[in-house]
Amino acid sequence: DVKVTQSSRYLVKRTGEKVFLECVQDMDHENMFWYRQDPGLGLRLIYFSYDVKMKEKGDIPEGYSVSREKKERFSLILESASTNQTSMYLCASSLTGLMGDARNEQFFGPGTRLTVL
Amino acid sequence: AQRVTQPEKLLSVFKGAPVELKCNYSYSGSPELFWYVQYSRQRLQLLLRHISRESIKGFTADLNKGETSFHLKKPFAQEEDSAMYYCALKGAGGTSYGKLTFGQGTILTVHP
Repeated sequence: DVKVTQSSRYLVKRTGEKVFLECVQDMDHENMFWYRQDPGLGLRLIYFSYDVKMKEKGDIPEGYSVSREKKERFSLILESASTNQTSMYLCASSLTGLMGDARNEQFFGPGTRLTVL
Repeated sequence: AQRVTQPEKLLSVFKGAPVELKCNYSYSGSPELFWYVQYSRQRLQLLLRHISRESIKGFTADLNKGETSFHLKKPFAQEEDSAMYYCALKGAGGTSYGKLTFGQGTILTVHP
């Protein structure tokens, strides 16, 4: 079974703090993703990575950065947290990204609910 | 640009009734479409994809390119189907790394 784990289920931070969200997958997947999940807005892609040290901006990268130093770990960084970054953050991974390939299924972590006060 | 629209935020049905969750997409090429589901206190997981043409947990979805739709259907809803459902699209151009575009989600509640 693919296992995607996230470092915290709940996190409370103050405005202006630097926040690290960690994600680890144990299935040697090439691709990793960070989304935020908000009611009425669905899942929106923040950043993704298709290889170690490689990253691509998603649809809403502003205010975020990422790091992928090892294949199994993908970190999301909020350089200076703001109240509008209060959200549920989901990490996902997939073996490939190829269209029509059954291995392109994304496997999700349990999520981190971040509250910025 | 690719876009996925799920027009219903909430959908309520009674057990045994048919259910249809709507999904419309906007994409100029031939996309790959998915339905993901999130049950209460569980992580998001893949329910089905259009290319496999499978029926999962009694659910089916047909890609209608003419209407650009990928509605999810089940003839007889069960209480355990209550969950959040997301429609998602994977396009070809510039997204070969697996990037998905998700809809806004529909919360399905099946009443006893």
